[in-house]
Formats: sequence, structure tokens, C-alpha cells
Amino acid sequence: DGGITQSPKYLFRKEGQNVTLSCEQNLNHDAMYWYRQDPGQGLRLIYYSQIVNDFQKGDIAEGYSVSREKKESFPLTVTSAQKNPTAFYLCASSIGTLNNQPQHFGDGTRLSIL
Amino acid sequence: SQQGEEDPQALSIQEGENATMNCSYKTSINNLQWYRQNSGRGLVHLILIRSNEREKHSGRLRVTLDTSKKSSSLLITASRAADTASYFCATAVNALNFGKGTSLLVTP
Repeated sequence: DGGITQSPKYLFRKEGQNVTLSCEQNLNHDAMYWYRQDPGQGLRLIYYSQIVNDFQKGDIAEGYSVSREKKESFPLTVTSAQKNPTAFYLCASSIGTLNNQPQHFGDGTRLSIL
Repeated sequence: SQQGEEDPQALSIQEGENATMNCSYKTSINNLQWYRQNSGRGLVHLILIRSNEREKHSGRLRVTLDTSKKSSSLLITASRAADTASYFCATAVNALNFGKGTSLLVTP
């Protein structure tokens, strides 16, 4: 079955530590996205990528970094510069452009501070 | 920037009843999408309605779009306990902007 796999499901970060969240898709989608969801809130866009080796900042990119070396993979690094990283992180993908197609989501990674 | 705003924030109904959720937005859009999120899971796409469409159906779901009022509604008919989830509208301009969602509880 095609889909998006996020790992790990739960992640704990120590102060001053960088952590990387994995996102893999086998849907052959060109576009991939990272969102942050805080309790009772909607999704806020962190980064997105429309093609390999290209990515753009979203609304809340500060303290995060991404790479897109392969079409299937779009890892997100939460750096120590992100002072409030506790949240639910969702990865998504879509066939084409940012808004003309439905987005398919993974089941998220919940990040907490130790 | 969150453009879509769902109303109500929370809705509790009994099985068999209809559930209506509304979404209002502020600027012109290309399309509007509705998603569902079960607790602790990712979002699942339900329906995409384009700006030149007024109504769309999918099974027990009916979505309307009124671009003059900048609003959309999602109707779930004959609700089931399994429909319990949060429902989000997302407006498509340059990127998808998600609202804060409506939390729907369907009790047996």
C-alpha cells in the first residue's frame, strides 16, 4: 500500500540537542511538506519542497532545517535554536503544486522536551 | 497564517443525527479542502471544492461553497460514532492554510 511513513512516533529532545524526524513516501509525489500542530490549534507550515534539491520556508521555519536529496524522503531537523519544540509534527505529500491537489499525511511524530 | 476559521469549535450529537460545520475565510481562494483527524493521527483528505463549484458530495458528506460570503459548510448525514474526530478546512491560495478545527463527538 502506498503511503507516508513518519518515524519515530515519539521523540524526546534534551536541551541543546538537534533531533531529526524522518518522513518517507512511496506515492511518487513531487511535493512534500512539514507542519507543526500545537494542542487545539490548526496546522502551521514549517517547510515545503516541490522538487528534489529544492525547498522553501513556510510560516514558522525558524529553528528548523530540511533536506530533499531524494524524491521519497524529506527529513526535518529540529535544532537547538527552536526554543519551544514540543508539538505534534506532521509530514504530508501531494502530486503537484502546493494547493491544487489533496495532501496525504503521515501519522505524525510527537516531540517532547526532557 | 491561518485563514480558515471553523465554527463551532466543538459539536456533540447523537448517532443518526446530522452534523454541520462551517468555515469562513478572508481572501480569494483557488479551492477549499476539508480534512478529518482522528485523535493522535494524521489528517485524512475528505473533499476538495474548487472556487467555481458550489456543492460537492461524497458518500454521507456534502460540502457547499459560497465565495460571495467567503464561507463553506461540511454536512455529515446520519452520523456514526466512528465519525468522532476533528474536522479542518484548509483554504488554498499560495499554500494550504488550515483553521483550528471543529471537534465532533458522536455518541451512541
